[in-house]
Amino acid sequence: RKEVEQDPGPFNVPEGATVAFNCTYSNSASQSFFWYRQDCRKEPKLLMSVYSSGNEDGRFTAQLNRASQYISLLIRDSKLSDSATYLCVVKDPSNTGKLIFGQGTTLQVKP
Amino acid sequence: DVKVTQSSRYLVKRTGEKVFLECVQDMDHENMFWYRQDPGLGLRLIYFSYDVKMKEKGDIPEGYSVSREKKERFSLILESASTNQTSMYLCASSFRLAVSTDTQYFGPGTRLTVL
Repeated sequence: RKEVEQDPGPFNVPEGATVAFNCTYSNSASQSFFWYRQDCRKEPKLLMSVYSSGNEDGRFTAQLNRASQYISLLIRDSKLSDSATYLCVVKDPSNTGKLIFGQGTTLQVKP
Repeated sequence: DVKVTQSSRYLVKRTGEKVFLECVQDMDHENMFWYRQDPGLGLRLIYFSYDVKMKEKGDIPEGYSVSREKKERFSLILESASTNQTSMYLCASSFRLAVSTDTQYFGPGTRLTVL
């Protein structure tokens, strides 16, 4: 079983749609979670951290369910510029600073 | 703003050549990381370092070595490049202390082609 699993997609949605990505992680000791965004042929960039209580940043909402070991990202009112690959990331609980990356979910927003 | 720079965006080398990839960060981060990214395989950790002159193997260290002589600089070395090392190489850095929201920041990547 992979340590961090995501549906690779692609998710093809029209502008204005709401889309949700899910991610599961295998190590119940994990404490820190993130979503990164990666544009084609560019480096991953931090989109948002995921807090236990859930958190929102504009059109983006991240949620964490520790019991189910499940993380989600919701994008409301999708824009063409949201087209990218979204990486679910879990910090290794061994305190080395290592991150464990999912393979990413590709989103294509169409006009 | 965190800035992580890599010496080249694109590099073409021949099989058997020694290749140096350089990474520099300006945020006084203790941790530095080298990854490669390939289609269908995601990001894979090659080596990381949590202090000057310290290094730890990641998941795929074979065929690579690293050097960290200064805190801000972390070099990846391909001793004898092979075609299966054609990939996107990404450097990242982060603070050492375990604040939960600390995370890694990436350089722009080097796309290496080995012919």
